[in-house]
Amino acid sequence: GAVVSQHPSWVICKSGTSVKIECRSLDFQATTMFWYRQFPKQSLMLMATSNEGSKATYEQGVEKDKFLINHASLTLSTLTVTSAHPEDSSFYICSSRGSNTEAFFGQGTRLTVV
Amino acid sequence: GDSVTQMEGPVTLSEEAFLTINCTYTATGYPSLFWYVQYPGEGLQLLLKATKADDKGSNKGFEATYRKETTSFHLEKGSVQVSDSAVYFCALALWGGGNKLTFGTGTQLKVEL
Repeated sequence: GAVVSQHPSWVICKSGTSVKIECRSLDFQATTMFWYRQFPKQSLMLMATSNEGSKATYEQGVEKDKFLINHASLTLSTLTVTSAHPEDSSFYICSSRGSNTEAFFGQGTRLTVV
Repeated sequence: GDSVTQMEGPVTLSEEAFLTINCTYTATGYPSLFWYVQYPGEGLQLLLKATKADDKGSNKGFEATYRKETTSFHLEKGSVQVSDSAVYFCALALWGGGNKLTFGTGTQLKVEL
């Protein structure tokens, strides 16, 4: 199946700093990318949807100024957690979908803010 | 709104036991249904899917049948293995909704020798 690579797989950062997470579709063009957040023992919560070259659409309750999403090309989307705080610690997962494909998921990024 | 309800876990089984994980859904349209599996420390992997009523998705010995009359998509496997231990997520997508996936809360499966 298609491969979506997410990097880094885990990151520890200090409170107040920013962290960037990359999501790459390696063998198909991702017209749409999704960013999810997963709390321990809970389901995935959709944070935002982005289409290549346009602004991301954020779900209700998600702060767009805190979670910056860039989808500059058909193979790369980034999520930047700005001014991270301990409550932002979570497992973040990206998902990519081509024009005629189902969604494929990255491996996830474990963010710990200390 | 659209939603997916799964049975709560964890589900603990002995190897070679029969597995059923219940999933029901509520959708305003006519969804496609999915089961995803998440192994420890990894992202989600698509396990199987069904796109219309009475379709049966199957993969790696797992099966689920799209039942429109009961709005269900229960996951079954006849004989589980230790390597099946993971968290299983039921999900739906409405193709007119940008293909956003709506997930259930997940069911953890533990298979013991």
